[in-house]
Amino acid sequence: GAVVSQHPSRVICKSGTSVKIECRSLDFQATTMFWYRQFPKQSLMLMATSNEGSKATYEQGVEKDKFLINHASLTLSTLTVTSAHPEDSSFYICSARDSGSTDTQYFGPGTRLTVL
Amino acid sequence: GQNIDQPTEMTATEGAIVQINCTYQTSGFNGLFWYQQHAGEAPTFLSYNVLDGLEEKGRFSSFLSRSKGYSYLLLKELQMKDSASYLCALRGSGNTGKLIFGQGTTLQVKP
Repeated sequence: GAVVSQHPSRVICKSGTSVKIECRSLDFQATTMFWYRQFPKQSLMLMATSNEGSKATYEQGVEKDKFLINHASLTLSTLTVTSAHPEDSSFYICSARDSGSTDTQYFGPGTRLTVL
Repeated sequence: GQNIDQPTEMTATEGAIVQINCTYQTSGFNGLFWYQQHAGEAPTFLSYNVLDGLEEKGRFSSFLSRSKGYSYLLLKELQMKDSASYLCALRGSGNTGKLIFGQGTTLQVKP
């Protein structure tokens, strides 16, 4: 399958700081990427759809001013968690849509965010 | 809206066959996906069904019945490394391509 990278894999930050997470599709171009959040022993919750060259589409209940998404190129989307608080601690996973024959989403390895 | 239902947990024996079911309700359908997720890792793609029938991929097979809103993932010759969560995900109609995930089924394979 296609390869998607995510950086950093793990980050610990102080409450009130901002954290940027990068998601890259390494061997295909992705006009659409997705950001998910997963709490322990729960399934993936879609936060937003990131569209190259346009504004992201956020799911209901997700604060767009707190979770800033930028999709500046066909291979890179970034998620910035602004003014992070301990309740934002979670596993953040991106996926990139490979619009080929199966139109499949491939996931990055995830970023474990811990806010102290 | 969309609703996806999977069993929360299953246990099976090494070498055996296990079937993980997924039922769904949706106003629009554009494909059903199965992903495997080991603890602390991101999901990996297993299979994709958009038409009725069985798709076979080595030890893994996935079945879809659109009229019944039903899919299953079949794992044969179970290995200990198959212990993981298995996520059923639905793609609705429309061009966004976004997936909605079920709660996942945690499979424990015992010796």
